[in-house]
Amino acid sequence: EVQLVESGGGLIQPGGSLRLSCAASGVIVSSNYMNWVRQAPGKGLEWVSALFSGGTTYYADSVKGRFTISRDNSKNMLYLQMNSLRAEDTAVYYCARDRKGLVGYYYGMDVWGQGTTVTVSS
Amino acid sequence: AIQMTQSPSSLSASVGDRVTITCRASQGIRNDLGWYQQKPGKAPKLLISAASSLQSGVPSRFSGSGSGTEFTLTISSLQPEDFATYYCLQDYSYPCSFGQGTKLEIK
Repeated sequence: EVQLVESGGGLIQPGGSLRLSCAASGVIVSSNYMNWVRQAPGKGLEWVSALFSGGTTYYADSVKGRFTISRDNSKNMLYLQMNSLRAEDTAVYYCARDRKGLVGYYYGMDVWGQGTTVTVSS
Repeated sequence: AIQMTQSPSSLSASVGDRVTITCRASQGIRNDLGWYQQKPGKAPKLLISAASSLQSGVPSRFSGSGSGTEFTLTISSLQPEDFATYYCLQDYSYPCSFGQGTKLEIK
């Protein structure tokens, strides 16, 4: 079964740090284009960060310099290290696989986790 | 970065209606556009990729069209389970970008 499971969310004070994890099964993290997407309460979807199979990383301007995406190939895990957290980072964070990295497939984020909630508040 | 402009932001319709949602890209993205459905408290679901390719298991009342900068999602005959929020996403180039979303509500 293809599955992504996020964890690591919680309540954190402004300025604090948190690391989100995404455990993959049926998807090889190191062979795919993996993403973090977030959704603030009552708002739309916002792409946050991507890690391509070749190692290239991308970040939204809103998190650049504060968030770091990484992976552990041996554990088939994706991570998002979030530092200097702000109230506006409060959101549900999803990890998702983009088929863009696969030969012979149409693009699109076809596998999503259930999300983990991050609340930044004092 | 490529900006995606989605319209309308909300739409009120009845069961059986035909509805169309539009996304416009700030520059050409070939057909590298997907449409996603999201229901409250759930992760988004990919409905259509490559602008017009229906994902397996998605009802045929959903269709997509367009290329370059203009794209549409059409639901030919709304069913009760279709009332949700819809997003477009371009992954032609990274950073990728979502449209603002269209909330489809029951009239």
